[in-house]
Amino acid sequence: EDQVTQSPEALRLQEGESSSLNCSYTVSGLRGLFWYRQDPGKGPEFLFTLYSAGEEKEKERLKATLTKKESFLHITAPKPEDSATYLCAVQPRFGNEKLTFGTGTRLTIIP
Amino acid sequence: KAGVTQTPRYLIKTRGQQVTLSCSPISGHRSVSWYQQTPGQGLQFLFEYFSETQRNKGNFPGRFSGRQFSNSRSEMNVSTLELGDSALYLCASSLTSGGTDTQYFGPGTRLTVL
Repeated sequence: EDQVTQSPEALRLQEGESSSLNCSYTVSGLRGLFWYRQDPGKGPEFLFTLYSAGEEKEKERLKATLTKKESFLHITAPKPEDSATYLCAVQPRFGNEKLTFGTGTRLTIIP
Repeated sequence: KAGVTQTPRYLIKTRGQQVTLSCSPISGHRSVSWYQQTPGQGLQFLFEYFSETQRNKGNFPGRFSGRQFSNSRSEMNVSTLELGDSALYLCASSLTSGGTDTQYFGPGTRLTVL
């Protein structure tokens, strides 16, 4: 069964303090790994899709990277508006292709 | 381009009742997936519909069912509600089924079962 583990569960950073969120996964052949951002009371907002080890994608202060066992979401010089829960999900290459999500990292950026 | 819409946004029901939630996908999207989100379990896949056919199903009891109409709109039904069904129910749409088409989520329906 596909599994996704995100760490840490919660992270508090000062504004401008860079850090990384981790997503470890087990999947029977990876079709894609997805990162979403979710604000309280809202649905997840798509950020990135990564397909193969070594791939990197960037968007503003966020950069996602992928290895064969984990993905990192690097946040550079974060601002308070980056506060949210960040979700990681994997889609297997075989089987029913459904997304399996981690439970997320709740990020708080303190001004 | 309008996003995924879900109605109603909030619902309060009592145990034993049934409920129907609605999801309208992004225009042109033909696949609709449903998820249950709870604080302890995170997002869990319920089922996916594509071209009015259920394509995938998660590990939920038969009390959870869904359907999709010819205009791609989808409904989800939960019968004989239990306290544990209290959750945020999210709908996501994508262009097609399978592949790595991005799933775009709606705002969710917050269901509270008393």
